[in-house]
Amino acid sequence: DTAVSQTPKYLVTQMGNDKSIKCEQNLGHDTMYWYKQDSKKFLKIMFSYNNKELIINETVPNRFSPKSPDKAHLNLHINSLELGDSAVYFCASSHRDRDAFFGQGTRLTVV
Amino acid sequence: QQQVKQSPQSLIVQKGGISIINCAYENTAFDYFPWYQQFPGKGPALLIAIRPDVSEKKEGRFTISFNKSAKQFSLHIMDSQPGDSATYFCAASWPNTDKLIFGTGTRLQVFP
Repeated sequence: DTAVSQTPKYLVTQMGNDKSIKCEQNLGHDTMYWYKQDSKKFLKIMFSYNNKELIINETVPNRFSPKSPDKAHLNLHINSLELGDSAVYFCASSHRDRDAFFGQGTRLTVV
Repeated sequence: QQQVKQSPQSLIVQKGGISIINCAYENTAFDYFPWYQQFPGKGPALLIAIRPDVSEKKEGRFTISFNKSAKQFSLHIMDSQPGDSATYFCAASWPNTDKLIFGTGTRLQVFP
């Protein structure tokens, strides 16, 4: 199936831990993103990469570090997790026409 | 500052009715306006999109109306069905950027 897939779907962890979310797309897109959806369902872009190069870096704490080993993968590593990091994180990808395709999301709960 | 304002926050429509969701934007440099549909537990899925050189775009039961002078655009869902019950997001972006600015979302419930 052609898609944007991210793992894990659910992540429950304690404050202070470090965790990673992985994303892969097989759509052949050049650009990949991380979006955060908060408890009020508000969607906000965090990062975007184009061909492994960081293009957009919104005002996100340094504890969040994206890594793109190739243009089909974009992982998100989060250090020293805080309660306020609890949210749903979406990976997405797009090509030149800017139609973004989203993954199913990773629900992160920090306790 | 919310660059894309969306209303209403929630909407209840009877089956067969018309659902209308409105968005207003501030930045006249925006040139791409998509609508996304999100079901619970799923990621947003692109529904339909428009560029400001046309005033209307229709795909099946879904229509975007665009008013450039008023800086407003809206989604109309004709013959609404219970399966349309979802959260709808409008969005906008600038030329030469892939960054989407999302509205705050509208939760649509269609009752039989």
